[in-house]
Order: sequence, then C-alpha cells, then structure tokens
Amino acid sequence: QSVLTQPPSVSGAPGQRVTISCTGSSSNIGAGYDVHWYQQLPGTAPKLLIYGNTNRPSEVPDRFSGSKSGTSASLAITGLQAEDEADYYCQSYDSSLSNSVFGGGTKLTVL
Amino acid sequence: EVQLVESGGGLVQPGGSLRLSCAASGFTFNKYSMNWVRQAPGKGLEWVSYISSSSVTIKYSDSVKGRFTISRDNAKNLVYLQMNSLRAEDTAVYYCAREDTGEFDHWGQGALVTVSS
Repeated sequence: QSVLTQPPSVSGAPGQRVTISCTGSSSNIGAGYDVHWYQQLPGTAPKLLIYGNTNRPSEVPDRFSGSKSGTSASLAITGLQAEDEADYYCQSYDSSLSNSVFGGGTKLTVL
Repeated sequence: EVQLVESGGGLVQPGGSLRLSCAASGFTFNKYSMNWVRQAPGKGLEWVSYISSSSVTIKYSDSVKGRFTISRDNAKNLVYLQMNSLRAEDTAVYYCAREDTGEFDHWGQGALVTVSS
C-alpha cells in the first residue's frame, strides 16, 4: 500500500488529453511538500518529468503539465502520442516517515 | 553531462551480502544528496535510502533498516549500498538517483539484484 495513491491505469486515444491523479494526506502533499512526476518507458530508468508541482525540465515537451491542490496533485498530458505510453509515478516527502515516498504508479495506454 | 553508473549487482543466496556502487560524473558530486531507489519485478518504485552531501544525514526505509548501509566517497565520486542479510523480497533493480531540491533529477541505468537459492 503506497503512501501516495495513483490509479493503476489510464488510457486515451492519440491527440486526446488524459490526467493522472496522485492523492496524499496531511503529512505529505497536504503539508505543503512539493510533488514531482516521473516517466518510465518500458525497460528503462525513470526520468524526471515535472518537479516542484508545476515545473518542467527544459527537455520535456509542454504537452506535460502538473498541478497541486490540497492533498492531491495531477499530471496532465495533452495531444497524446504513442510514445507517451509508459508508467508514471508521483513522488513527495512525508513528514511522518521523514523520507521520500512514491505513488504506486499509473500505466498509460495510448489506444 | 550528468552520468550515474551502478555496478555490483548479481545473484546472491538468501542471507548473503552484496555491495552496490554508483559512479557519478559530470557534476560537482559533493554538493548533492544521493538516494537509492529499487523496483521489484513488475512492481512500482520504492525509495530505499538517502545520504546527504557530507554524509551527515542518512535515512533508510523500514524495509531495509538494520540490514543495508549507505555511504559515499566524495573524493572518488562514489556512493555505495552495502546490503546484508538479503531476502527474496529484496530482489529488484536498484537505481541510484541524484537529489536536487527534493526531486530525483538524474537516475542511473540500474543494477539487478536477485536473491535466490
């Protein structure tokens, strides 16, 4: 059972918009700690996608965006492409555990 | 270019030990905290351990506390994970990751550790 809760899977057709939620609690996201998102393509290491809730590394396309509100955060992907098919993970800090925590991951399928 | 390269993975019997290394290059190593994150086959990411830039602060997940030891050598740009009393449930790909301001901004390619008799 992960401290941060993500849906196991989401799907969308090419060109569509999908969102992935990440639900935490008052000891992590709700306490004001930043949420970060990672993309893991099949057979590869995770790659930083969004940091500090809303910021994109320079090499990440602006089709990817992040938001945070209360005890939850979301990753939005617009203009879905086949190459976006991957696993996505959220990450934050938990003050009760005093360490970083990950969501369980969400598998994105592009139909 | 930032590079992190893990080594030392392999097959080990339950109860055995293994030491992973992560060689860092392309950045000022002694200014960054480092982490180990693992991923069991077909499963999600699990944070394992953290070491601050000067080794003053060290943290472990409850699942490895007392069995794993993280350390670093800033002169050699290396971070280590000494794993003792290994169990089948420790079987995973182990990634080292650089931490910036809370996010893990660079990851190694991973080292596979298999615990089996």
